[in-house]
Amino acid sequence: GAGVSQSPSNKVTEKGKDVELRCDPISGHTALYWYRQSLGQGLEFLIYFQGNSAPDKSGLPSDRFSAERTGGSVSTLTIQRTQQEDSAVYLCASRPSGAPEQFFGPGTRLTVL
Amino acid sequence: DAKTTQPTSMDCAEGRAANLPCNHSTISGNEYVYWYRQIHSQGPQYIIHGLKNNETNEMASLIITEDRKSSTLILPHATLRDTAVYYCIVRVEGNTNAGKSTFGDGTTLTVKP
Repeated sequence: GAGVSQSPSNKVTEKGKDVELRCDPISGHTALYWYRQSLGQGLEFLIYFQGNSAPDKSGLPSDRFSAERTGGSVSTLTIQRTQQEDSAVYLCASRPSGAPEQFFGPGTRLTVL
Repeated sequence: DAKTTQPTSMDCAEGRAANLPCNHSTISGNEYVYWYRQIHSQGPQYIIHGLKNNETNEMASLIITEDRKSSTLILPHATLRDTAVYYCIVRVEGNTNAGKSTFGDGTTLTVKP
């Protein structure tokens, strides 16, 4: 079946612009995560959605970052007034209820000029 | 979640077993050991996880020491396609924040012909 998909695959933007990154999780997966991966680094947790519960936003690096998940499915990560240090690959993962395994999407490579 | 320590890089000859170590000396009794890998330009892929017993699946084996302070991921017959960054993570299973852990820098395994 279809895996986690993310769009766009690549995004180049100018400093100060807002960007929206989209994640389509696997159908039926209740948990959804966003991570950020800078070049040559490990994954940094950003935000976590679980069902209808309030999201865990503890990993968001600043108030320029926000995310929402509509209807318990698609999620959008928004970065306002982008900075060059926001350049990274943004990865989304989903996980079915009660299962340990996260399924990752291919990521969106964001480049802020 | 407990912190893990992994070697930065390892080499392995094609067809030989690859043994990837991970130290997690501060692991708690209810924390599981997870392994993921990330092939270049792709999202991470789940490999295996365990609590205290050794585990095996079609991809790999996981050996956890009796004191649970370290573990080893074994790829029994490494192929060139196993070249990737391997992440060792420990976290509580069933926790609503499962997946929140930062993955760290992992071990870059290079399988050579």
